[in-house]
Amino acid sequence: NAGVTQTPKFQVLKTGQSMTLQCAQDMNHEYMSWYRQDPGMGLRLIHYSVGAGITDQGEVPNGYNVSRSTTEDFPLRLLSAAPSQTSVYFCASSYGSGTYNEQFFGPGTRLTVL
Amino acid sequence: KNQVEQSPQSLIILEGKNCTLQCNYTVSPFSNLRWYKQDTGRGPVSLTIMTFSENTKSNGRYTATLDADTKQSSLHITASQLSDSASYICVVSAGGANNLFFGTGTRLTVIP
Repeated sequence: NAGVTQTPKFQVLKTGQSMTLQCAQDMNHEYMSWYRQDPGMGLRLIHYSVGAGITDQGEVPNGYNVSRSTTEDFPLRLLSAAPSQTSVYFCASSYGSGTYNEQFFGPGTRLTVL
Repeated sequence: KNQVEQSPQSLIILEGKNCTLQCNYTVSPFSNLRWYKQDTGRGPVSLTIMTFSENTKSNGRYTATLDADTKQSSLHITASQLSDSASYICVVSAGGANNLFFGTGTRLTVIP
């Protein structure tokens, strides 16, 4: 089991560019989510999905799009990158969306927007 | 306002010593409390998860306590090792995987 994988590990963008952060899991988890981690702040939820074809917004969704066409993959798209989106992005998955399900996190993508 | 506060912000201890990290929360409703370990450049990894009725839970040298009345939790690390150097994050659930509140973490450094 590879667990939760993310690519790329590092990325530098210019303001206005678009890109997709990839996330995949091989644990057959129904629930997947994206967080961003900024200095001095706790992780914040961007978008989440409770299963293929179903997505919803989290706390900080503006500027990001997601889709979930398969159980395994949950890409995060930045439509027009802004310096405020400089952050470390983590993808996470769990067996279900219930209260007690353990979250498994990927290794993260460090994004810098110039 | 739902908040999770951790202290201290950072901590340096000698290898072999014990330490205790603190977490205070104001999340409501309360469902469970989790402690995660995050190594530098890696994603968080779950250490423990505690429900309202549990006041102590251990995972090897890590022991978490929960006082739901005072809304406080602690993580005690016994006989620290160099590999314990990491950030420790307290997370409180208000119900559902999309309803987690994260603390900013305590950065622990264990020196030889």
